[in-house]
Amino acid sequence: DAKTTQPNSMESNEEEPVHLPCNHSTISGTDYIHWYRQLPSQGPEYVIHGLTSNVNNRMASLAIAEDRKSSTLILHRATLRDAAVYYCIPPDYKLSFGAGTTVTVRA
Amino acid sequence: DAGVIQSPRHEVTEMGQEVTLRCKPISGHDYLFWYRQTMMRGLELLIYFNNNVPIDDSGMPEDRFSAKMPNASFSTLKIQPSEPRDSAVYFCASSADRGERGYTFGSGTRLTVV
Repeated sequence: DAKTTQPNSMESNEEEPVHLPCNHSTISGTDYIHWYRQLPSQGPEYVIHGLTSNVNNRMASLAIAEDRKSSTLILHRATLRDAAVYYCIPPDYKLSFGAGTTVTVRA
Repeated sequence: DAGVIQSPRHEVTEMGQEVTLRCKPISGHDYLFWYRQTMMRGLELLIYFNNNVPIDDSGMPEDRFSAKMPNASFSTLKIQPSEPRDSAVYFCASSADRGERGYTFGSGTRLTVV
C-alpha cells in the first residue's frame, strides 16, 4: 500500500498563506491524491483532490509535483476557522488516515 | 442532500450491553465505510462495503463487533457485549465509484461505555 508523510504540526498567522506538504513517493500513476481536514469535534471533511495538474477550489489549491511524489495543499489566506487537522490520504480507496498535520492559526 | 446521517449522536451505555450504531449513506453512493477515532489510535478503518457487500473487515477489532448493510440506504455497526475500551467516536462515510470525487463523512456517534 502507498504511504504518505506529513509534518505533525504547522502554525500560521491569520490572513497569511499556509503551505502543507505531503510526501507520497510510492504513489502509482493512476492514483488520485486526496486531502481532507477535520475540525474540532467534527467528522473529516473533503478538501480537494487531484491527479497530475494543479487544482483549485473555493477551499484551497493543490500543487502536485511533476513526478507526483509530493504535493502541497495551499490555504491562501488562513482564517481561525481553518484550524484543523489536515490529512493527505494515500491513494487507496479504503481511505486509511495517518496522523495528519495539525494547523494552528494565530489571530 | 442531507449528507451522511448517523444516529445516535451520543450514546452512553454500561459495560456488557449491546450497542447499535446506524448510518444512512448518500443516495447513489456505492461505497460505505465505518471508522473509529480515539486519541490514542487516531482514525481507523473498521470495515467497508461496496454495493451492500462487505469487502474488507480486517479492521474490525474482534468478534464483538459486527456490521451489516441490508440495503443501499442503511447500515449498522453493532457491539455486543460492549466494553469501556470501545469508547470512541464512530464515523460512517460514503462515496460514489471508488472515491475519485471524494468521500462524505457523517457527524459521528460518540460512544461512552461505563
